[in-house]
Amino acid sequence: QKEVEQNSGPLSVPEGAIASLNCTYSDRVSQSFFWYRQYSGKSPELIMSIYSNGDKEDGRFTAQLNKASQYVSLLIRDSQPSDSATYLCAVMDSNYQLIWGAGTKLIIKP
Amino acid sequence: GAVVSQHPSRVICKSGTSVKIECRSLDFQATTMFWYRQFPKQSLMLMATSNEGSKATYEQGVEKDKFLINHASLTLSTLTVTSAHPEDSSFYICSAEGTGTRAEAFFGQGTRLTVV
Repeated sequence: QKEVEQNSGPLSVPEGAIASLNCTYSDRVSQSFFWYRQYSGKSPELIMSIYSNGDKEDGRFTAQLNKASQYVSLLIRDSQPSDSATYLCAVMDSNYQLIWGAGTKLIIKP
Repeated sequence: GAVVSQHPSRVICKSGTSVKIECRSLDFQATTMFWYRQFPKQSLMLMATSNEGSKATYEQGVEKDKFLINHASLTLSTLTVTSAHPEDSSFYICSAEGTGTRAEAFFGQGTRLTVV
């Protein structure tokens, strides 16, 4: 069974520090990887997508992908209280279906 | 990004009644939409894949006769929770995904269903 694993947290990070969120996946042929942010009671919203090994930066967010290790991470620099949310990792499998992780709850402490 | 509109955002219904949730893609044609359910503090759980003009594909453990899905057009999919019970109370979210290997999901606003 294809799986996407995330630490459920909560992960507590001081304001201004770097938050590091991790995700591992089991399907070696996966090609597309996504990070979504979900505030309580709201639908997920896309933060980052990454398709190639290495780093992809967008503002304060950096996604890192290592296909050999089947590992994708999201770094949030200069963390703000508004970044407090649950972050969902999603991986597209060989059938073009998104497999979702359980999410990591991030708390940014002022 | 694409816009997906879901309605209603909140609904309270009595046990035994049915509730219909609509999901519309506003600026693109979605041949496939997905319906998820999310219980508090849990991840998204895919319920079914809605295919325009054909029957939905349900995930294991999801009762197709209880969760009726209709995808009559390229911009509208509906989920009807029939004979709702309190245990059906949950957050229901629809999404439409692009095509190809770089497809991302665009979510509706979600529907908070409370069955009393």
